[in-house]
Amino acid sequence: DTGVSQDPRHKITKRGQNVTFRCDPISEHNRLYWYRQTLGQGPEFLTYFQNEAQLEKSRLLSDRFSAERPKGSFSTLEIQRTEQGDSAMYLCASSLTDGNSPLHFGNGTRLTVT
Amino acid sequence: DAKTTQPTSMDCAEGRAANLPCNHSTISGNEYVYWYRQIHSQGPQYIIHGLKNNETNEMASLIITEDRKSSTLILPHATLRDTAVYYCISKGNNDMRFGAGTRLTVKP
Repeated sequence: DTGVSQDPRHKITKRGQNVTFRCDPISEHNRLYWYRQTLGQGPEFLTYFQNEAQLEKSRLLSDRFSAERPKGSFSTLEIQRTEQGDSAMYLCASSLTDGNSPLHFGNGTRLTVT
Repeated sequence: DAKTTQPTSMDCAEGRAANLPCNHSTISGNEYVYWYRQIHSQGPQYIIHGLKNNETNEMASLIITEDRKSSTLILPHATLRDTAVYYCISKGNNDMRFGAGTRLTVKP
């Protein structure tokens, strides 16, 4: 399978714990995106990278959230001191650098904070 | 990126064409129209995109009006597996912003 891969698929954690998610993009894609999706809503943009550079961050990305893409390949999204409101599906997508190339999404990591 | 508006929900009979409309009246000249769909518990699936010409692929057809203020996604022979939320997005060179989409239900 050469699509976008996310790990884990599901994560249950207690409030206050830290969690980290991983995304492996399609190999030739330079851009990598993180989105969050809550029930009944469309995906909300969080941040994106071109290679290892983080080019844009949404206001939704509070200081408890940090994303990295150290070698321009896989990316991690860490949430520190999780809150119940962080419960959501976290989606990763990748695309070619051409601004009009479509994004290709993984199947997400579902986070439940108890 | 321009805002799009779509109906909240639509029904379609199995085997018939499903025509999903989208308004993007504030779209700018360099913004493409993209369509995605999402089935429960999966990530959004890319369907098709276009700038001003009509487009067709193995999944669907995209009809864009001449003034580019609206478009229609056509699934020519809808099946039960096409039941999903369909998102229409207009995007330039930046990130992709999703609305709430149209929930299409294909009925037997």
